[in-house]
Amino acid sequence: DTGVSQDPRHKITKRGQNVTFRCDPISEHNRLYWYRQTLGQGPEFLTYFQNEAQLEKSRLLSNRFSAERPKGSFSTLEIQRTEQGDSAMYLCASSLPRGLGATNEKLFFGSGTQLSVL
Amino acid sequence: AQTVTQSQPEMSVQEAETVTLSCTYDTSESDYYLFWYKQPPSRQMILVIRQEAYKQQNATENRFSVNFQKAAKSFSLKISDSQLGDAAMYFCAYRSYNNDMRFGAGTRLTVKP
Repeated sequence: DTGVSQDPRHKITKRGQNVTFRCDPISEHNRLYWYRQTLGQGPEFLTYFQNEAQLEKSRLLSNRFSAERPKGSFSTLEIQRTEQGDSAMYLCASSLPRGLGATNEKLFFGSGTQLSVL
Repeated sequence: AQTVTQSQPEMSVQEAETVTLSCTYDTSESDYYLFWYKQPPSRQMILVIRQEAYKQQNATENRFSVNFQKAAKSFSLKISDSQLGDAAMYFCAYRSYNNDMRFGAGTRLTVKP
C-alpha cells in the first residue's frame, strides 16, 4: 500500500492558462474524492467518483472545472482559464465503499497539489 | 445540507496537559460517521479518531477520545497528556450515508513546552 499519490506537488501558472492534476488512489479503493482547501480553512468538497462514475459534484465546481476517472483507477482534475481565486491546495482522497470493513469509512488523503495562479 | 462548525479558531495547551476541541454539526440523518483529522504543517491529512453515530460508546484512541452527544449534535475531541507533536490544525468532519464528507473550518492547536 503506497497511499494516495498526487502529481504535481506544486503548480504555478499564469491567469488564463489551463492546468491538470492527477491523483492515484490506493489500488483497492473504488471511491475517489477531490477537495479544495484554502489557507486557514477546512477542505471543501468538489466531487467524488465511484469507479468511473462521477456521482456528485459540488456547486463549487464551476464549468471551468472538470474531473475524470476514465478507467476507475487514477483521476484527473482540470481547471480551464485559471483565475487567481483558483489558488488553493487541491486534495485527493480515496476510500473503500461503505459497508465492506471496519476501516472503510475513513478517507485516505494524498499530500495535495498546491496551485498558485499569478 | 450538513454543516460542521468548529467555534474555536485557535487553542493552546501546556505540554502534558489536557485540551478539548469543540465541534457541532447539523444534520437530519440518523446514520452517519464523525471524524477528527489532524493536518500538520506538511498539510497531509491524518485521521485521528472516528465515531459511528449508531454507537453510544465514545471512541478512544490512546491519548485521544471523543465526547459524542448525538441529541445535541456535538462531537468534541479530548487530547490527554498533550505532546509537542500534537500541534497542528484539527478538523472535525461529518460523513453522510451517501459518502460525502464535510469538514469544519478547523482549530489550530498550539502546544507550549
